Amino acid sequence: QQQVKQSPQSLIVQKGGISIINCAYENTAFDYFPWYQQFPGKGPALLIAIRPDVSEKKEGRFTISFNKSAKQFSLHIMDSQPGDSATYFCAAKQVLPDYKLSFGAGTTVTVRA
Amino acid sequence: SAVISQKPSRDICQRGTSLTIQCQVDSQVTMMFWYRQQPGQSLTLIATANQGSEATYESGFVIDKFPISRPNLTFSTLTVSNMSPEDSSIYLCSASGTKYEQYFGPGTRLTVT
Repeated sequence: QQQVKQSPQSLIVQKGGISIINCAYENTAFDYFPWYQQFPGKGPALLIAIRPDVSEKKEGRFTISFNKSAKQFSLHIMDSQPGDSATYFCAAKQVLPDYKLSFGAGTTVTVRA
Repeated sequence: SAVISQKPSRDICQRGTSLTIQCQVDSQVTMMFWYRQQPGQSLTLIATANQGSEATYESGFVIDKFPISRPNLTFSTLTVSNMSPEDSSIYLCSASGTKYEQYFGPGTRLTVT
């Protein structure tokens, strides 16, 4: 039973466009929401993360929007570049009792030049 | 952030044999975890490696098949025992130095023939 639902499974965007990936969760005890970027043959890299007391966080071209009442959060990649082509995973962590991360299914983003 | 290395990076093993994967973190961390990732799939938690005590396994994973050691705050090993082709996967080490941020190693790509 997947605790974090992620969509879409894949998306294609033109260079310079905006990529949007959505995630939803049910467990209101989750208190940390990271996004990971994974290139083929590499381990997932922590990209950006948010706590539920904040509605938006921006780091460079990457923005997380968080809607606590709807139990949804999303990743926006602005001015998408071919180098952003990767698989993105949303995740959620409940620090207590066991610090475990629950992952979404992943979204493969392809940026066409 | 924590920098995590894994050895070996890849291996091809015969069925019935065992492989031990090593994970080294460049700083002392509170939590260490082992994940499995099938190609094109999300990450599945195998177990939490507890320093000085037995690992905590997720449903579907057992100690006899995946023995884990964690002798100190920077090192852990995962053994995949009595391997079958179904064990072919990417095995990822992960670590948290704080309550929230969690980092991943580059992975070990295992093929069982």
